Amino acid sequence: GENVEQHPSTLSVQEGDSAVIKCTYSDSASNYFPWYKQELGKRPQLIIDIRSNVGEKKDQRIAVTLNKTAKHFSLHITETQPEDSAVYFCAASLPGTYKYIFGTGTRLKVLA
Amino acid sequence: DAGVTQSPTHLIKTRGQHVTLRCSPISGHKSVSWYQQVLGQGPQFIFQYYEKEERGRGNFPDRFSARQFPNYSSELNVNALLLGDSALYLCASSRGQGVTDTQYFGPGTRLTVL
Repeated sequence: GENVEQHPSTLSVQEGDSAVIKCTYSDSASNYFPWYKQELGKRPQLIIDIRSNVGEKKDQRIAVTLNKTAKHFSLHITETQPEDSAVYFCAASLPGTYKYIFGTGTRLKVLA
Repeated sequence: DAGVTQSPTHLIKTRGQHVTLRCSPISGHKSVSWYQQVLGQGPQFIFQYYEKEERGRGNFPDRFSARQFPNYSSELNVNALLLGDSALYLCASSRGQGVTDTQYFGPGTRLTVL
């Protein structure tokens, strides 16, 4: 069935270090993979996305990589800052529908 | 440039009651999706509407219904509320041009069922 697995569930890093969050999807036809950041009590905010015709995309300190063969994609945050602390969700589009399947989230804590 | 808006912000209901949640998409966006987010989990898809037609439905009971109006705003209705319906209900807006459209979320309505 449709599923997106996300790991780890919690991640603590020292300020300035890198953070990596990994997701695996089940449907090989999925072709769009957004990442959202959700701070406590706030809406999910899109931070970066990637489409299946691209292997990597970067935006300043944030990058996403996609491995279609292995059906996994990862979020990389470099030079982490305390304001990066939040819950991060990956998602995958479900082919033949108009919905996203979300991962279970990763709580990132950046320690000053 | 106004983002997605939702009302009300918070709502408290009792079991068996009915609730209506409202969403206004970003100007120029024709599609609205509804998600349920239970505490500690990722959003779960409920519905997507485009040009007033339902274009997708998730695994939710018939107590959940929605509609979209000519101005592209949308309502989510939930009948016969259960304790398990307590959650953050998110509306997401997109252009509606394809399955890879980026969806932008509103602030959500937090529903508490007592």
